[in-house]
Amino acid sequence: EVQLVESGGGLVQPGGSLTLSCAASGFTVTSNYMSWVRQAPGKGLEWVSVLYSGGSTKYAGSVKGRFIISRDTSKNTLSLQMNSLRADDTAVYYCARQGNGDYPNWFDAWGQGTLVSVSS
Amino acid sequence: DIVMTQSPDSLAVSLGERATINCKSSQSVLYSSNNKNYLAWYQQKPGQPPKVLIYWASTRESGVPDRFSGSGSATDFTLTISNLQAEDVAVYYCQQYYSAPYTFGQGTKLEIK
Repeated sequence: EVQLVESGGGLVQPGGSLTLSCAASGFTVTSNYMSWVRQAPGKGLEWVSVLYSGGSTKYAGSVKGRFIISRDTSKNTLSLQMNSLRADDTAVYYCARQGNGDYPNWFDAWGQGTLVSVSS
Repeated sequence: DIVMTQSPDSLAVSLGERATINCKSSQSVLYSSNNKNYLAWYQQKPGQPPKVLIYWASTRESGVPDRFSGSGSATDFTLTISNLQAEDVAVYYCQQYYSAPYTFGQGTKLEIK
């Protein structure tokens, strides 16, 4: 069974840092395209970052230069290092899988999300 | 960036009736080499992550009731929910996976009239 479990969320002050983790089971992270998607309270979905199976990465303009996506092959986990956090980064962060074909597909598996709150 | 715009923002439909949600992309998401539309639809219920309903614009995900259907091509797409059931109350999103950033529509809130 495919499962994604996020952890690492919490309350952080503006300007601070936080690292989210996503533990995958039922499939291999390195063989798939993996993304982070966030949802601010009461708002819609916003794609944040993707880690392609080949290792390259892309980021939304709103987080570029502040967030870093990575994976740990030995632990089969995806991570999101978030630096210089701002109040508008407050959201539930979801880890999601985008398939393992030639190109990223739709998000076919999602975690339950972890809440990040940025406030003083 | 490809901008996805849904309409309406919300709608109320009677049980057993049909709900129609539209999605327009700012540029075509039809990949000419394989003639596939890189467009998906998701359903999100309160407190839950989104769940994919439709991909390739019209292919229903396994286990999704056949009252959900998707149509359209290039820049204009529609999600149709026939015979609306109480459990269909949710927010629906379209999303393009043609190119990063993989943008979503703003969402359409579906309620029972």
